[in-house]
Amino acid sequence: GDSVTQMEGPVTLSEEAFLTINCTYTATGYPSLFWYVQYPGEGLQLLLKATKADDKGSNKGFEATYRKETTSFHLEKGSVQVSDSAVYFCALSGGSGGSNYKLTFGKGTLLTVNP
Amino acid sequence: DVKVTQSSRYLVKRTGEKVFLECVQDMDHENMFWYRQDPGLGLRLIYFSYDVKMKEKGDIPEGYSVSREKKERFSLILESASTNQTSMYLCASSLSGGFYGYTFGSGTRLTVV
Repeated sequence: GDSVTQMEGPVTLSEEAFLTINCTYTATGYPSLFWYVQYPGEGLQLLLKATKADDKGSNKGFEATYRKETTSFHLEKGSVQVSDSAVYFCALSGGSGGSNYKLTFGKGTLLTVNP
Repeated sequence: DVKVTQSSRYLVKRTGEKVFLECVQDMDHENMFWYRQDPGLGLRLIYFSYDVKMKEKGDIPEGYSVSREKKERFSLILESASTNQTSMYLCASSLSGGFYGYTFGSGTRLTVV
């Protein structure tokens, strides 16, 4: 079946540092890929998405590129802020190993940004 | 904005009680989902529904049931609450097709004592 693997956290950075959170997936077919963010005490919010190979999703300074050849969707930000401290989840849907409307999530990566 | 509203942010229940968690969405989404979130385990799908009165088991349905009598409302039922059901419960909805991703509610933190 479909699966998503994220780098394990926690990740601790200083403000203005460069962020990369790795995400790789296993799926057949052409899944859509997503990054979600969960701020403390809240539900998950969609951060960005990409629906086909070589698409780049971007939002709030975060970017991720759908790389079919490496089955990856790494999250990057050039300069993190304290307010980016949260848990980040990589997810996919639409792979042939799962139903078209069901999301498969990675386990999440906790990011802490220190001033 | 799409809104997914969960009726309670925090809930404390006793072992053996029947517990109802309610979720309402206001965007006419076909699909609705219940997840639980636990440290180190990520999100695990309990049940989902792709239409009114339709439901399918997710990865961990044991000890839970669901009800979807109206399109906008999806209820999670703990038939007899146990301490190992202490968790954060997240409801989500989506349009048909995984292309769109989910919209999540704020979550209900349930403690069973």
